[in-house]
Amino acid sequence: TQLLEQSPQFLSIQEGENLTVYCNSSSVFSSLQWYRQEPGEGPVLLVTVVTGGEVKKLKRLTFQFGDARKDSSLHITAAQPGDTGLYLCAGWGNAGKSTFGDGTTLTVKP
Amino acid sequence: EPEVTQTPSHQVTQMGQEVILRCVPISNHLYFYWYRQILGQKVEFLVSFYNNEISEKSEIFDDQFSVERPDGSNFTLKIRSTKLEDSAMYFCASSKTGTGSFSPLHFGNGTRLTVT
Repeated sequence: TQLLEQSPQFLSIQEGENLTVYCNSSSVFSSLQWYRQEPGEGPVLLVTVVTGGEVKKLKRLTFQFGDARKDSSLHITAAQPGDTGLYLCAGWGNAGKSTFGDGTTLTVKP
Repeated sequence: EPEVTQTPSHQVTQMGQEVILRCVPISNHLYFYWYRQILGQKVEFLVSFYNNEISEKSEIFDDQFSVERPDGSNFTLKIRSTKLEDSAMYFCASSKTGTGSFSPLHFGNGTRLTVT
């Protein structure tokens, strides 16, 4: 069974601060996705990373896939209250089965 | 933008009863999934479905669960005899391809199942 560990589980910061969320596994994934989930809604895809060492930027969000494709990070620069939500990483194995991390609940205070 | 729709949004049932959760995936998608999220816990993979058959399933997806695509649009999850621990939010998702590499999962807004 492939496991994904996300850290931290909870993060509460002030508007304007930077933060990084980590997603780690002992397994290799063919790709990894980051989702954001609002209360009462399904997860919404933010980004997919496929190549080891890949870095993708989405406005103030920077996503990195580890060289060995076992880990990933999400960095938010100058966080805003609108960034508040549950951030989930999900790894895909070759068999087409996805594994989700436990999630990181981010609260950005104005 | 096309979206995955799920009905009902909330289902309350008594322990031991059968429930059917319904989903209409995005029309040109070929892969369909069910996930479960118990309140306050992680999203858990249940099953993936392609070409009218199950392609992958997790250890959670035991004999009490079944999936069906009864027509060209609906994708259903049936729980034969519900247990208290089946209470959770159930998400349906669909994608164009099955590996996730280049085809993101599109999730519905979920059905909250409460077993009493």
